[in-house]
Amino acid sequence: DTGVSQDPRHKITKRGQNVTFRCDPISEHNRLYWYRQTLGQGPEFLTYFQNEAQLEKSRLLSDRFSAERPKGSFSTLEIQRTEQGDSAMYLCASSVRGNTIYFGEGSWLTVV
Amino acid sequence: AQRVTQPEKLLSVFKGAPVELKCNYSYSGSPELFWYVQYSRQRLQLLLRHISRESIKGFTADLNKGETSFHLKKPFAQEEDSAMYYCALRGDNDMRFGAGTRLTVKP
Repeated sequence: DTGVSQDPRHKITKRGQNVTFRCDPISEHNRLYWYRQTLGQGPEFLTYFQNEAQLEKSRLLSDRFSAERPKGSFSTLEIQRTEQGDSAMYLCASSVRGNTIYFGEGSWLTVV
Repeated sequence: AQRVTQPEKLLSVFKGAPVELKCNYSYSGSPELFWYVQYSRQRLQLLLRHISRESIKGFTADLNKGETSFHLKKPFAQEEDSAMYYCALRGDNDMRFGAGTRLTVKP
C-alpha cells in the first residue's frame, strides 16, 4: 500500500502523559499536513510542512504540541502533558504542491 | 481568513431523488474548492475539485463566485452515496474544511 500511513491507529493515555504519532506520507510528496478532527466537526488544520520546513502553524497548536519532519519524509506529532480536550482523531495528509491532498486513516487519541 | 460553512449537518433523501449539499465559503483571494467524501470505515478521499469541472459518481459542483458557494449536486441519489461529505477550500497554502454533512439515502 503506497498511501499515507499513520501509527499508532489508536492510543489511550492517561492525562499528563506524552504521546507521539508518526506519519509516513506518499513517497515524493513534498507537502505534509496535520489535522485534528473531533466528533461532529470537519478536519481542523494544525500545521503543514514543505519538505522539512514547517511553513504554517495554527493557533490551535499550543506550546504542548510539536511537529517535526526532520528529513522531509516522515513526520511526528508530539503532544506533551496531554489533557482530556486533546482527545480526537489526528489526521495526516500529503500532497505534491498544488495537487490533490491524500489522507491517512488517522490516529485516534483518547485521554483518560 | 478562509472559512467554509456547510449549513446542514444531516441530509436525508430517498433513493432516486435529487440531492444538493450546500457549501458557502469566505476568502478574499481566488479560491480553489473541493469536495471530500468519507464512506463508513474508510479514509477521507477527494470526490471532486472545481478546476476539473468533472462529474464523479454522478456528482457535480459549480463554483459561484457571486454567491460564494460551491454546492454539490446529484440528480438521482443512490444508497451507496450515503456518507459524510466535506467541502474544503484551499487558499494560499493550507486546506480548510467545513464541518461536514452526513448524507443518508434511504431505499
